[in-house]
Amino acid sequence: QVQLQESGPGLVKPSETLSLTCTVSGASIRSYYWTWIRRPAGKGLECIGRISTGGDTDYNPSLKSRVTMSVDTSKNQVSLKLSSVTAADTAVYYCARGGGSYRDWGLGTLVTVSS
Amino acid sequence: ETVMTQSPGTLSLSPGERATLSCRASQSLGHNLAWYQQKPGQAPRLLIYAASTRAASIADRFSGSGSGTEFTLTISSLQSEDFAVYYCQQYNNWPYTFGQGTKLEIK
Repeated sequence: QVQLQESGPGLVKPSETLSLTCTVSGASIRSYYWTWIRRPAGKGLECIGRISTGGDTDYNPSLKSRVTMSVDTSKNQVSLKLSSVTAADTAVYYCARGGGSYRDWGLGTLVTVSS
Repeated sequence: ETVMTQSPGTLSLSPGERATLSCRASQSLGHNLAWYQQKPGQAPRLLIYAASTRAASIADRFSGSGSGTEFTLTISSLQSEDFAVYYCQQYNNWPYTFGQGTKLEIK
C-alpha cells in the first residue's frame, strides 16, 4: 500500500520561501509522476505542478515563476519550493501520485503565511 | 485554463435517495475526467476516472458518465457515509483543474 507523507514548516513569513517534502513509502518513486496540489481555505483544489522521476516538470502558469519541484530517488522523496509567499498561499498542501487522476494522496499539511 | 463548473453547489438529500451531480468543462475533455470525494480532515478519495471507470474498492452505487464537456456522477442509493464534498477534475489540458465542489448534505 502506497503511503505519502507531507512535511515541512506550518508557518512561513511573507516574502519567504515555503519548502515541503513528500516522503513516499510502499512504492518506489521511480516511473511515476508526482503532483503537488493545494486547497486554500474556503476555496477549491489547485494543481501546483508535477514532476517525473526523470526530472521533467510542468508547473501551473499562475505559479510558474515561484515554483520549483525536485525528486530525490535515494530518499524516495519529492520536494516543493514556493518563493515570495503571501497570505494567498495559505493552504493545505497535498502531494499525490500520478500525472492525471490521483489515486494516492498524502493527508496534507497546513501551511500558514503570516508574520 | 479549462474551467470546471459543478452544479449544484449544495445538494440536500436523504439516505436511500439517488444523487446526481453535474460537472461542465469549458472545453472538450474527451473522457479525461475524474471524480473525488472529500470529507473534513481527509485527503480527497478517487472515485471515478476516465469519466466512467470506478477506482479500486469503490462501491458500485457510484457511477460516472459523460464525455466532451458534460459529465455526471450518480450515487444510486445514498448511504450515511456518502455525505461529503465531491469534486470533478479534468486531466486533458494542463494545468489540470478541479471544479469548486458539490456539498452533499443530509436533508
